[in-house]
Amino acid sequence: DTAVSQTPKYLVTQMGNDKSIKCEQNLGHDTMYWYKQDSKKFLKIMFSYNNKELIINETVPNRFSPKSPDKAHLNLHINSLELGDSAVYFCASSQRAGGLGETQYFGPGTRLLVL
Amino acid sequence: GNSVTQMEGPVTLSEEAFLTINCTYTATGYPSLFWYVQYPGEGLQLLLKATKADDKGSNKGFEATYRKETTSFHLEKGSVQVSDSAVYFCALLILTGGGNKLTFGTGTQLKVEL
Repeated sequence: DTAVSQTPKYLVTQMGNDKSIKCEQNLGHDTMYWYKQDSKKFLKIMFSYNNKELIINETVPNRFSPKSPDKAHLNLHINSLELGDSAVYFCASSQRAGGLGETQYFGPGTRLLVL
Repeated sequence: GNSVTQMEGPVTLSEEAFLTINCTYTATGYPSLFWYVQYPGEGLQLLLKATKADDKGSNKGFEATYRKETTSFHLEKGSVQVSDSAVYFCALLILTGGGNKLTFGTGTQLKVEL
């Protein structure tokens, strides 16, 4: 009964490769997010989608391309992977895009290591 | 801009000790405030939240009060357990034209020893 799930959990790949991370939520939420957590545990939002529409794009390199086929899924595709892309990527969802105290629910994370 | 400042870690305590993790914020609007917890190897879980001044969020013995006058949301627990060992993140949520944006502090690692 996982609320927000991500696959894969671990991803080890070579520089220059292209990879995708998938996220699914079964909470019936309208809004989904991608966050990046660096090696010092600092978390920063990358993207947000509301009902399949991009609403937040935080100056992320265009090698990163999110795709939302439906409001329950938000995938992240990364082209030409670089060493600096090594991080933990978290997907999250919330009921709505705007709302006082709107709680975001996080997935377990995908640990990406670029060699 | 919006930012959250947390005390540096790691914080190491003995079991049953009193815990305080300081959090202060800067926000252009009127934010909602959150504490999230990340256990080793896991994702973030909401611990508690508060949406307006003087609100107190509480959960699992943890408490934090939204103090607008000092722009703070300090996390406290009266008696910590080994199982509380984790990284704690303070965060603020601001409504923007495009939607909600969570801004996190750098996290504070808590280690509780027997």
